[in-house]
Amino acid sequence: QQPVQSPQAVILREGEDAVINCSSSKALYSVHWYRQKHGEAPIFLMILLKGGEQKGHDKISASFNEKKQQSSLYLTASQLSYSGTYFCGTVSGANNLFFGTGTRLTVIP
Amino acid sequence: NAGVTQTPKFQVLKTGQSMTLQCAQDMNHNSMYWYRQDPGMGLRLIYYSASEGTTDKGEVPNGYNVSRLNKREFSLRLESAAPSQTSVYFCASSAPGTANAHFGDGTRLSIL
Repeated sequence: QQPVQSPQAVILREGEDAVINCSSSKALYSVHWYRQKHGEAPIFLMILLKGGEQKGHDKISASFNEKKQQSSLYLTASQLSYSGTYFCGTVSGANNLFFGTGTRLTVIP
Repeated sequence: NAGVTQTPKFQVLKTGQSMTLQCAQDMNHNSMYWYRQDPGMGLRLIYYSASEGTTDKGEVPNGYNVSRLNKREFSLRLESAAPSQTSVYFCASSAPGTANAHFGDGTRLSIL
C-alpha cells in the first residue's frame, strides 16, 4: 500500500527546477506532500483532494492525476531552504495514511 | 498550541524490556497514527486508529501493540524490545481522510 516515489535523491543548484513523482497501485482519495528537515518531524506542504487538482504556494506546486493514481511535486527556482526529504502520503480508504519512501533533495549554492 | 505531544523524546532500553510511548493531541482529530522511521528511510505505518475505540494494523505491526485510550490519546507499546526496533517513532493525527496530518516531534528509541 506504500506509494512509490521517484527519484530517490536529487541534487540541484540554486535556481534550478525539480519534479518529484508519486504513484500508487490503489485508487486514491487524496494525496499529501510533506517536507522533513534532518532531525525534525515532517511538515505539511499541501493536500490534493480530487483528480486534476493543482495547488501551490510560493514556487512549490503539485498536481494530482486521479486516473493514473499519480501525483507530482514541482519545485521551481529552487532555494537553499528547499533542501530536505520530501514525502508523498496517500489516502486510499479507511482513512489510513501511507507514505512513500521519500526523495532527498539537496540544493547547493 | 500544543498540537501533537509525544513522550518521552529519547529512550534507551535493553533487549527484552518493555515500554509505552505516549501520544496526545488537542485538535479533536479522529484519526491517529504511529510511524517508525529508520535512518535514511521513509515513514512506515505501524498502527492507526480511525476513531476512538478502533485500531488497525499498518505495514509493520509485529512486536507492537496500541491503545486508543480516548479521542486525545494513542499509545504504542513494545512488550519485549528488540534491537531491530531501534528507530525514531512519530505519532500523527488528522481529521478523517482528507486533512493534513500533524506530527509530533518524535521519540528516539535505542535498544541495546
